[in-house]
Amino acid sequence: DTGVSQDPRHKITKRGQNVTFRCDPISEHNRLYWYRQTLGQGPEFLTYFQNEAQLEKSRLLSDRFSAERPKGSFSTLEIQRTEQGDSAMYLCASSLLGYTFGSGTRLTVV
Amino acid sequence: KNQVEQSPQSLIILEGKNCTLQCNYTVSPFSNLRWYKQDTGRGPVSLTIMTFSENTKSNGRYTATLDADTKQSSLHITASQLSDSASYICVVSPFNDYKLSFGAGTTVTVRA
Repeated sequence: DTGVSQDPRHKITKRGQNVTFRCDPISEHNRLYWYRQTLGQGPEFLTYFQNEAQLEKSRLLSDRFSAERPKGSFSTLEIQRTEQGDSAMYLCASSLLGYTFGSGTRLTVV
Repeated sequence: KNQVEQSPQSLIILEGKNCTLQCNYTVSPFSNLRWYKQDTGRGPVSLTIMTFSENTKSNGRYTATLDADTKQSSLHITASQLSDSASYICVVSPFNDYKLSFGAGTTVTVRA
């Protein structure tokens, strides 16, 4: 499989719980991005990694959010103390020259 | 202010008909403009990518045009099929910046 994989596809959690999402990029892609998309809107940039270095974080990424990319391969996005406003589709993308998106993780906070 | 504006917000067409989606952008300079198709609950899938020097790019029944002077792009869908029902997103890649600028998308519904 040469695509970007995201896990899980769907996550329902109670408010206040922590959640973690995983993204496996295309293996030769050194750049990895996280985006958040709400209904009827285009994706919004959250954070960007080049190899294992996190080079930029959006102001949308509050201190409850943390992303890692150990060893420059897969990445995780953790949301602590989830709030209902966190409900969204979380998209991962990777790039070398082109840009490829994963299928996303749909988070619902109840 | 969003740097990429798309119109219409949504449209409904009959199967077999053609339609054209519009994208106006202010991102400048830019390295490329992309159109993505996003099915409900899925990630965006690339349809076309054009550099600033290209005027048109086709991918099957999808044809994208670009006018860099007026900062406008369009996506034309020919002989629509039910499977074309999706959101179509215009994305501009700024020059020397890894972050993409996304439009809000046009939701297309194809009816039999």
